[in-house]
Amino acid sequence: AQTVTQSQPEMSVQEAETVTLSCTYDTSESDYYLFWYKQPPSRQMILVIRQEAYKQQNATENRFSVNFQKAAKSFSLKISDSQLGDAAMYFCAYRKGETSGSRLTFGEGTQLTVNP
Amino acid sequence: DSGVTQTPKHLITATGQRVTLRCSPRSGDLSVYWYQQSLDQGLQFLIHYYNGEERAKGNILERFSAQQFPDLHSELNLSSLELGDSALYFCASSASRGLRTEAFFGQGTRLTVV
Repeated sequence: AQTVTQSQPEMSVQEAETVTLSCTYDTSESDYYLFWYKQPPSRQMILVIRQEAYKQQNATENRFSVNFQKAAKSFSLKISDSQLGDAAMYFCAYRKGETSGSRLTFGEGTQLTVNP
Repeated sequence: DSGVTQTPKHLITATGQRVTLRCSPRSGDLSVYWYQQSLDQGLQFLIHYYNGEERAKGNILERFSAQQFPDLHSELNLSSLELGDSALYFCASSASRGLRTEAFFGQGTRLTVV
């Protein structure tokens, strides 16, 4: 079974600074996708960034980027120029690549605090 | 707005009762997933439907059931409710082909069992 581990229950960062959230996963599949979701106090689950396992290039979305190390099964999220609105719970998630879709397996989450 | 609609947003009910949570997926999405998020647990996968058929089951209790209708909306039925069933229930949908493989989540239904 696939597992996702986030070893940092809590992280904090100063506004405008950079922070990296860690995630490791375990799978025997070759075709899969990795995601970071953000859950602010509203509890809405918001997709932050996506990485396809077959792509060597790390995904980037504005201030958010990932460091995808496939051999090490590591998928960290870097937030640059942190803003107060980035404060949220962040979940790393894994999904097998199947044409009819497949479940997301989530990590335990990392609570990010942004200090002004 | 993710395009996934869940109703109701909040639900308060008594132990032993039965409730139905409803989900309308994004237009064109064939896959619907249900997740449970309790305070002391992360997001737990419950069940996955694809184009009306059950595709996968996770840690879903026998007291819970779901279905996906021909118009692709889905319902999650929770019966004989217990205090421990209090949680945030999310529905998500995804396109099943092509490059758009991410799941988009509804705003969730917060269920409180008293």
